[in-house]
Amino acid sequence: AQSVTQLDSQVPVFEEAPVELRCNYSSSVSVYLFWYVQYPNQGLQLLLKYLSGSTLVKGINGFEAEFNKSQTSFHLRKPSVHISDTAEYFCAVSGSGGGADGLTFGKGTHLIIQP
Amino acid sequence: DTAVSQTPKYLVTQMGNDKSIKCEQNLGHDTMYWYKQDSKKFLKIMFSYNNKELIINETVPNRFSPKSPDKAHLNLHINSLELGDSAVYFCASSPNPQGGGYTFGSGTRLTVV
Repeated sequence: AQSVTQLDSQVPVFEEAPVELRCNYSSSVSVYLFWYVQYPNQGLQLLLKYLSGSTLVKGINGFEAEFNKSQTSFHLRKPSVHISDTAEYFCAVSGSGGGADGLTFGKGTHLIIQP
Repeated sequence: DTAVSQTPKYLVTQMGNDKSIKCEQNLGHDTMYWYKQDSKKFLKIMFSYNNKELIINETVPNRFSPKSPDKAHLNLHINSLELGDSAVYFCASSPNPQGGGYTFGSGTRLTVV
């Protein structure tokens, strides 16, 4: 079984400032890691994913995340945020061993961009 | 051309009614899922289907029953709806193994009054 902890429920940031959204996971098996974004009253959109290989993963909309196995973390970063980045961000994990175990989500971080 | 489509987008119904939410995917994925997002935006898996076989059934009341007529469809039927069932329900699909990632539908907002 896996679990995901998103340490901040809400992160206010000024426009054009950098941001980091924190995510830690726990698992007894190897994992795949994901970040999803949910804009108000919309569905979930995949930002980026880590399956294997380079620990620095680049995604859409200028976001990137770094997988740190020793710290069991997968923090999301963006060097300069825009008003349009205001949304709920979810970190998620699944087992990498195949099968249909689905995603385990964190509780989400609400990113608030202030002008 | 929508990859994972759900209908209806909104559903308002009275307590005690029975309702269904439909989901279809055109990605050729082997596995489909239902997730529930509660009022605090917490997402939790309810079911997954792999080649029409139920793989996971989390601690969901048996009033909820997934039905899969074929690999491209996974419908969610809910009997005797309760106020606490009000939530947003998301359908998703993934290839098997799931390395390709998960694709979500746009969600169905269910309101029980």
